[in-house]
Amino acid sequence: KAGVTQTPRYLIKTRGQQVTLSCSPISGHRSVSWYQQTPGQGLQFLFEYFSETQRNKGNFPGRFSGRQFSNSRSEMNVSTLELGDSALYLCASSLRKTSGTSMDTQYFGPGTRLTVL
Amino acid sequence: EDKVVQSPLSLVVHEGDTVTLNCSYEVTNFRSLLWYKQEKKAPTFLFMLTSSGIEKKSGRLSSILDKKELFSILNITATQTGDSAIYLCAVEAGSGGSNYKLTFGKGTLLTVNP
Repeated sequence: KAGVTQTPRYLIKTRGQQVTLSCSPISGHRSVSWYQQTPGQGLQFLFEYFSETQRNKGNFPGRFSGRQFSNSRSEMNVSTLELGDSALYLCASSLRKTSGTSMDTQYFGPGTRLTVL
Repeated sequence: EDKVVQSPLSLVVHEGDTVTLNCSYEVTNFRSLLWYKQEKKAPTFLFMLTSSGIEKKSGRLSSILDKKELFSILNITATQTGDSAIYLCAVEAGSGGSNYKLTFGKGTLLTVNP
């Protein structure tokens, strides 16, 4: 079974630009979560999508948004990039069979390394 | 605000040693605690704990949760150089239904020397 894939793997942007990152979950997984990882803050939860709906959101500004398609693939968008947005962006997929259940095992993708200059 | 604190932040041991990593938390509406191992790439899932006092084991790794004292430990026995990694603890907490939030600790960097 193929794992979680993320594209692109590396990205360099300048301040003020916007960026879109893509995540393809493991086949059959309906939940996709996004995380930001930086040396200073560690791993921080951005949001989770399940069946094309955003179900949970972390404490990030509105510049961070996402969406999920009917095939469960997800995209994350960051507008008006700031230097502090430089980070490793990870997505993780899980089965999440029914809503309201405790977290299912999450499988992480390799991440997209974003550098903002 | 939910908090997850891991200790120590870093640890250097020799092969064969036994290590204990700690994770304490303060969250509202605890649901589960998860341990991950992160080497150079993405975190890989180790354990999910929801009940106090029940040890989960996988080979040389084991973990247990104390919901009264709000902490968990991850034990690694007979460490090997391949155990060198960042170990992340995360706590799932939610207000009910499908709402939850996952809060990660900063991680413990374990280095196992030959």
